Amino acid sequence: DVKVTQSSRYLVKRTGEKVFLECVQDMDHENMFWYRQDPGLGLRLIYFSYDVKMKEKGDIPEGYSVSREKKERFSLILESASTNQTSMYLCASSLFRYEQYFGPGTRLTVT
Amino acid sequence: GEDVEQSLFLSVREGDSSVINCTYTDSSSTYLYWYKQEPGAGLQLLTYIFSNMDMKQDQRLTVLLNKKDKHLSLRIADTQTGDSAIYFCAESKDDYKLSFGAGTTVTVRA
Repeated sequence: DVKVTQSSRYLVKRTGEKVFLECVQDMDHENMFWYRQDPGLGLRLIYFSYDVKMKEKGDIPEGYSVSREKKERFSLILESASTNQTSMYLCASSLFRYEQYFGPGTRLTVT
Repeated sequence: GEDVEQSLFLSVREGDSSVINCTYTDSSSTYLYWYKQEPGAGLQLLTYIFSNMDMKQDQRLTVLLNKKDKHLSLRIADTQTGDSAIYFCAESKDDYKLSFGAGTTVTVRA
Protein backbone atom coordinates (compact mmCIF):
# COMPACT_ATOMS: atom_id res chain seq x y z
CA ASP A 1 0.00 0.00 0.00
CA VAL A 2 1.25 3.43 -0.97
CA LYS A 3 2.40 5.55 1.93
CA VAL A 4 3.61 9.10 2.42
CA THR A 5 4.19 10.10 6.03
CA GLN A 6 4.90 13.48 7.54
CA SER A 7 6.72 13.88 10.84
CA SER A 8 4.04 15.89 12.66
CA ARG A 9 0.31 16.50 12.26
CA TYR A 10 0.38 19.69 14.32
CA LEU A 11 3.28 22.00 15.13
CA VAL A 12 3.47 25.28 17.03
CA LYS A 13 6.61 27.39 16.69
CA ARG A 14 7.69 30.88 17.65
CA THR A 15 8.60 33.65 15.23
CA GLY A 16 12.26 33.44 14.26
CA GLU A 17 12.67 29.73 15.01
CA LYS A 18 14.16 27.36 12.46
CA VAL A 19 11.56 24.74 11.55
CA PHE A 20 12.05 21.35 9.92
CA LEU A 21 9.19 19.47 8.30
CA GLU A 22 10.00 15.91 7.30
CA CYS A 23 8.38 13.75 4.66
CA VAL A 24 9.08 10.10 3.95
CA GLN A 25 7.72 7.90 1.15
CA ASP A 26 8.07 4.16 0.85
CA MET A 27 7.28 3.78 -2.86
CA ASP A 28 10.74 4.41 -4.33
CA HIS A 29 9.37 7.45 -6.16
CA GLU A 30 11.73 9.78 -7.99
CA ASN A 31 9.69 12.95 -7.53
CA MET A 32 8.75 14.65 -4.29
CA PHE A 33 6.90 17.90 -3.66
CA TRP A 34 6.12 20.39 -0.90
CA TYR A 35 2.93 22.45 -1.05
CA ARG A 36 1.23 24.82 1.28
CA GLN A 37 -2.55 24.93 1.46
CA ASP A 38 -4.46 28.06 2.46
CA PRO A 39 -8.24 28.57 2.39
CA GLY A 40 -9.41 30.08 -0.88
CA LEU A 41 -5.98 29.69 -2.47
CA GLY A 42 -5.81 25.95 -2.96
CA LEU A 43 -2.38 24.31 -3.05
CA ARG A 44 0.70 26.25 -4.03
CA LEU A 45 3.96 24.55 -4.86
CA ILE A 46 6.92 25.59 -2.72
CA TYR A 47 9.69 23.27 -3.97
CA PHE A 48 10.01 19.95 -5.71
CA SER A 49 12.74 17.42 -6.25
CA TYR A 50 13.10 15.00 -9.15
CA ASP A 51 16.09 13.12 -7.81
CA VAL A 52 18.38 12.87 -4.80
CA LYS A 53 20.16 16.18 -4.19
CA MET A 54 18.20 17.81 -7.00
CA LYS A 55 15.64 20.51 -6.31
CA GLU A 56 13.69 23.15 -8.15
CA LYS A 57 11.80 26.17 -6.94
CA GLY A 58 8.06 26.14 -7.20
CA ASP A 59 5.74 29.12 -7.24
CA ILE A 60 6.37 30.42 -3.70
CA PRO A 61 9.90 29.43 -2.55
CA GLU A 62 10.68 32.63 -0.61
CA GLY A 63 11.41 31.94 3.04
CA TYR A 64 11.82 28.19 2.49
CA SER A 65 14.58 25.77 1.61
CA VAL A 66 14.61 22.00 1.07
CA SER A 67 16.91 19.06 1.44
CA ARG A 68 16.88 15.65 -0.24
CA GLU A 69 19.81 13.53 0.84
CA LYS A 70 18.05 10.19 0.40
CA LYS A 71 15.50 9.15 -2.18
CA GLU A 72 12.76 8.43 0.34
CA ARG A 73 13.08 11.63 2.39
CA PHE A 74 12.34 15.24 1.50
CA SER A 75 12.65 17.95 4.12
CA LEU A 76 11.21 21.45 4.10
CA ILE A 77 13.08 24.05 6.15
CA LEU A 78 11.80 27.39 7.35
CA GLU A 79 15.01 29.26 8.13
CA SER A 80 13.33 31.88 10.33
CA ALA A 81 9.64 31.22 10.81
CA SER A 82 7.23 34.10 10.42
CA THR A 83 3.52 34.40 11.20
CA ASN A 84 2.65 34.50 7.49
CA GLN A 85 4.01 30.97 7.22
CA THR A 86 1.19 29.66 9.40
CA SER A 87 -0.46 27.17 7.07
CA MET A 88 -1.12 23.53 6.23
CA TYR A 89 1.92 21.93 4.59
CA LEU A 90 1.42 18.93 2.32
CA CYS A 91 4.08 16.63 0.97
CA ALA A 92 3.55 14.46 -2.11
CA SER A 93 5.51 11.99 -4.18
CA SER A 94 5.08 10.59 -7.67
CA LEU A 95 6.59 8.17 -10.12
CA PHE A 96 4.44 9.09 -13.08
CA ARG A 97 3.37 12.61 -13.81
CA TYR A 98 -0.31 11.88 -13.53
CA GLU A 99 -0.46 10.53 -10.01
CA GLN A 100 0.84 12.31 -6.95
CA TYR A 101 0.40 10.63 -3.56
CA PHE A 102 -0.10 12.97 -0.65
CA GLY A 103 0.76 12.75 3.01
CA PRO A 104 -1.78 13.73 5.70
CA GLY A 105 -0.36 17.23 6.12
CA THR A 106 1.27 19.23 8.91
CA ARG A 107 -0.65 22.15 10.33
CA LEU A 108 1.98 24.68 11.37
CA THR A 109 1.15 27.64 13.59
CA VAL A 110 3.77 30.35 14.05
CA THR A 111 3.12 32.65 17.01
CA GLY B 1 -4.40 29.27 -8.36
CA GLU B 2 -5.02 31.87 -11.02
CA ASP B 3 -4.60 29.35 -13.83
CA VAL B 4 -7.35 27.09 -12.55
CA GLU B 5 -10.65 28.39 -11.24
CA GLN B 6 -13.50 26.65 -9.51
CA SER B 7 -16.45 27.73 -7.38
CA LEU B 8 -15.82 27.52 -3.64
CA PHE B 9 -18.98 25.84 -2.36
CA LEU B 10 -21.60 23.33 -3.46
CA SER B 11 -24.51 21.97 -1.43
CA VAL B 12 -26.31 18.86 -2.67
CA ARG B 13 -29.02 16.60 -1.35
CA GLU B 14 -28.15 12.99 -0.60
CA GLY B 15 -29.01 10.78 -3.57
CA ASP B 16 -28.86 13.62 -6.11
CA SER B 17 -26.05 14.14 -8.62
CA SER B 18 -23.30 16.64 -7.88
CA VAL B 19 -21.57 18.57 -10.61
CA ILE B 20 -18.35 20.42 -9.83
CA ASN B 21 -17.02 22.75 -12.48
CA CYS B 22 -13.54 24.00 -13.24
CA THR B 23 -12.01 26.26 -15.87
CA TYR B 24 -8.36 26.49 -16.80
CA THR B 25 -6.46 28.96 -18.90
CA ASP B 26 -3.56 27.05 -20.42
CA SER B 27 -4.53 25.35 -23.66
CA SER B 28 -1.30 23.35 -23.60
CA SER B 29 -2.40 21.46 -20.49
CA THR B 30 -2.03 17.78 -21.23
CA TYR B 31 -3.43 16.21 -18.06
CA LEU B 32 -6.36 17.29 -15.92
CA TYR B 33 -7.14 15.85 -12.51
CA TRP B 34 -9.69 15.70 -9.77
CA TYR B 35 -8.47 15.25 -6.20
CA LYS B 36 -10.55 14.77 -3.07
CA GLN B 37 -9.60 15.94 0.42
CA GLU B 38 -11.55 14.64 3.38
CA PRO B 39 -11.41 16.54 6.67
CA GLY B 40 -8.02 16.29 8.36
CA ALA B 41 -6.49 14.28 5.52
CA GLY B 42 -4.22 14.77 2.55
CA LEU B 43 -5.39 14.75 -1.05
CA GLN B 44 -6.45 11.59 -2.80
CA LEU B 45 -6.44 11.29 -6.60
CA LEU B 46 -9.98 10.51 -7.75
CA THR B 47 -9.51 10.47 -11.48
CA TYR B 48 -7.61 12.10 -14.31
CA ILE B 49 -8.20 12.66 -18.00
CA PHE B 50 -5.82 13.22 -20.87
CA SER B 51 -6.43 16.27 -22.98
CA ASN B 52 -7.21 14.19 -26.07
CA MET B 53 -10.26 12.68 -24.34
CA ASP B 54 -13.75 14.17 -23.99
CA MET B 55 -15.12 11.96 -21.28
CA LYS B 56 -14.07 9.40 -18.72
CA GLN B 57 -16.34 7.34 -16.52
CA ASP B 58 -15.36 5.43 -13.41
CA GLN B 59 -18.23 3.95 -11.40
CA ARG B 60 -20.15 6.93 -9.93
CA LEU B 61 -17.72 9.48 -11.34
CA THR B 62 -17.96 11.06 -14.79
CA VAL B 63 -15.41 13.57 -16.03
CA LEU B 64 -16.25 15.79 -18.98
CA LEU B 65 -13.65 17.87 -20.79
CA ASN B 66 -14.50 20.68 -23.19
CA LYS B 67 -11.13 21.62 -24.57
CA LYS B 68 -12.46 24.45 -26.71
CA ASP B 69 -13.91 26.23 -23.67
CA LYS B 70 -11.15 24.97 -21.32
CA HIS B 71 -13.83 23.59 -19.04
CA LEU B 72 -13.63 20.47 -16.90
CA SER B 73 -16.43 19.01 -14.81
CA LEU B 74 -16.81 16.18 -12.33
CA ARG B 75 -20.19 14.57 -11.89
CA ILE B 76 -20.83 12.35 -8.88
CA ALA B 77 -23.93 10.20 -9.26
CA ASP B 78 -26.07 9.24 -6.26
CA THR B 79 -24.15 11.52 -3.89
CA GLN B 80 -23.60 10.08 -0.42
CA THR B 81 -22.62 11.67 2.91
CA GLY B 82 -19.16 10.19 2.47
CA ASP B 83 -18.74 12.39 -0.59
CA SER B 84 -18.65 15.50 1.62
CA ALA B 85 -15.14 16.85 1.10
CA ILE B 86 -13.10 19.47 -0.74
CA TYR B 87 -12.60 18.68 -4.42
CA PHE B 88 -9.62 20.12 -6.25
CA CYS B 89 -9.25 20.49 -9.96
CA ALA B 90 -5.64 20.48 -11.22
CA GLU B 91 -3.80 20.63 -14.52
CA SER B 92 -0.31 19.88 -15.73
CA LYS B 93 1.62 20.23 -18.96
CA ASP B 94 4.62 18.14 -19.89
CA ASP B 95 6.42 18.43 -16.59
CA TYR B 96 5.62 16.97 -13.23
CA LYS B 97 4.19 20.11 -11.65
CA LEU B 98 0.49 20.47 -10.96
CA SER B 99 -1.47 23.73 -10.78
CA PHE B 100 -4.43 23.46 -8.44
CA GLY B 101 -7.66 25.36 -8.16
CA ALA B 102 -8.80 26.78 -4.83
CA GLY B 103 -11.02 23.77 -4.13
CA THR B 104 -14.80 23.29 -4.01
CA THR B 105 -16.26 22.36 -0.63
CA VAL B 106 -19.10 19.92 -1.22
CA THR B 107 -21.66 19.53 1.56
CA VAL B 108 -24.13 16.67 1.31
CA ARG B 109 -27.37 17.26 3.22
CA ALA B 110 -29.89 14.59 4.19
